[in-house]
Amino acid sequence: GAGVSQTPSNKVTEKGKYVELRCDPISGHTALYWYRQSLGQGPEFLIYFQGTGAADDSGLPNDRFFAVRPEGSVSTLKIQRTERGDSAVYLCASSQGLRHEQFFGPGTRLTVL
Amino acid sequence: GIQVEQSPPDLILQEGANSTLRCNFSDSVNNLQWFHQNPWGQLINLFYIPSGTKQNGRLSATTVATERYSLLYISSSQTTDSGVYFCAVTPHNTDKLIFGTGTRLQVFP
Repeated sequence: GAGVSQTPSNKVTEKGKYVELRCDPISGHTALYWYRQSLGQGPEFLIYFQGTGAADDSGLPNDRFFAVRPEGSVSTLKIQRTERGDSAVYLCASSQGLRHEQFFGPGTRLTVL
Repeated sequence: GIQVEQSPPDLILQEGANSTLRCNFSDSVNNLQWFHQNPWGQLINLFYIPSGTKQNGRLSATTVATERYSLLYISSSQTTDSGVYFCAVTPHNTDKLIFGTGTRLQVFP
């Protein structure tokens, strides 16, 4: 089937605005992960879900960041009061379950002006 | 937390050459994956290799978990191999991937 998909592919917003980034995992994958990649660096973990619940949100940088996965499939990463330092590529990954191989989507490039 | 270091940081090859990329990690892990990030930013899965040796075409990988390192071998390199290679590990008691520092590979014709 299809791989992990993310929308939008690019998002430009102004400082202080609210944004939502969407991730559609591979069909049947129960685990879903969000990472953030800044220019010239490797991806850094933000949060992961097993089913509908957040199993580990220790990578979220502050309380402006929040993620949901209400039906155990699609997930939305929400960023409030965006700051210029939030500019990065946000990557989503999914796996068949915990401790399985993770597969990544193409990412959403967020630019905060 | 666990440290993941890759070497070399940069590698320039002529088409047809062979290379070895190394990944060292500072603590025991459950899983290890190798990725190729192409110039468009897509992370492509190369190997899922917590231990042992695997081969896929011109690529092969070996992980020696007891000595905390993994190697990625690229033979007969092609220009399409260019990009950044990441190893990523899953420490014990967690499921998140911790990425290494990456190796940037450039292959010239």
